[in-house]
Amino acid sequence: DAKTTQPTSMDCAEGRAANLPCNHSTISGNEYVYWYRQIHSQGPQYIIHGLKNNETNEMASLIITEDRKSSTLILPHATLRDTAVYYCIVRDSSNTGKLIFGQGTTLQVKP
Amino acid sequence: DGGITQSPKYLFRKEGQNVTLSCEQNLNHDAMYWYRQDPGQGLRLIYYSQIVNDFQKGDIAEGYSVSREKKESFPLTVTSAQKNPTAFYLCASKQGEASMNTEAFFGQGTRLTVV
Repeated sequence: DAKTTQPTSMDCAEGRAANLPCNHSTISGNEYVYWYRQIHSQGPQYIIHGLKNNETNEMASLIITEDRKSSTLILPHATLRDTAVYYCIVRDSSNTGKLIFGQGTTLQVKP
Repeated sequence: DGGITQSPKYLFRKEGQNVTLSCEQNLNHDAMYWYRQDPGQGLRLIYYSQIVNDFQKGDIAEGYSVSREKKESFPLTVTSAQKNPTAFYLCASKQGEASMNTEAFFGQGTRLTVV
């Protein structure tokens, strides 16, 4: 599995867009990028995933660079309830499907 | 409602005792996983199972054991051989190999404290 690098922490003002970066420079062609978030003392919650194209759902948008070595998760209008640890994970589509979590980014949304 | 359930939410045990954490899912998922999380840390994989009656060690399997006798159940036993068992334990499930492009669903976790 490719390793991912994320900033340890970020702040965002309530109502503004939160842009969370992730570097995955060793990603291979068949590896998807997944984003999860974890609110304190709860199980991780799936947000979004993608392979090459940008993706959008009701929670967020995922922007993947053309070389696929980095991506950005965008929460378009952050709320206080978006305060959580956000994990960027690259999972090999040919392996067991196991998810290897790094340290993640702690996003603090401030009023 | 479909989902993945871990019980109990909080568990206390004396040092030297084995303890079993429950994980049940009704999502008809083939694959199930156990992770451990320590304060301020990410999740580390303990064991995983891709199909009934089969499981593999993850990155930190020592001191733990699992079974997968039924598709919907994947209990984790923390044995007395685990040197530092106090942690937050998370179970997850996902569709199997034929559906690799799918997300995993997590339970709400069991916080184990060994005193």
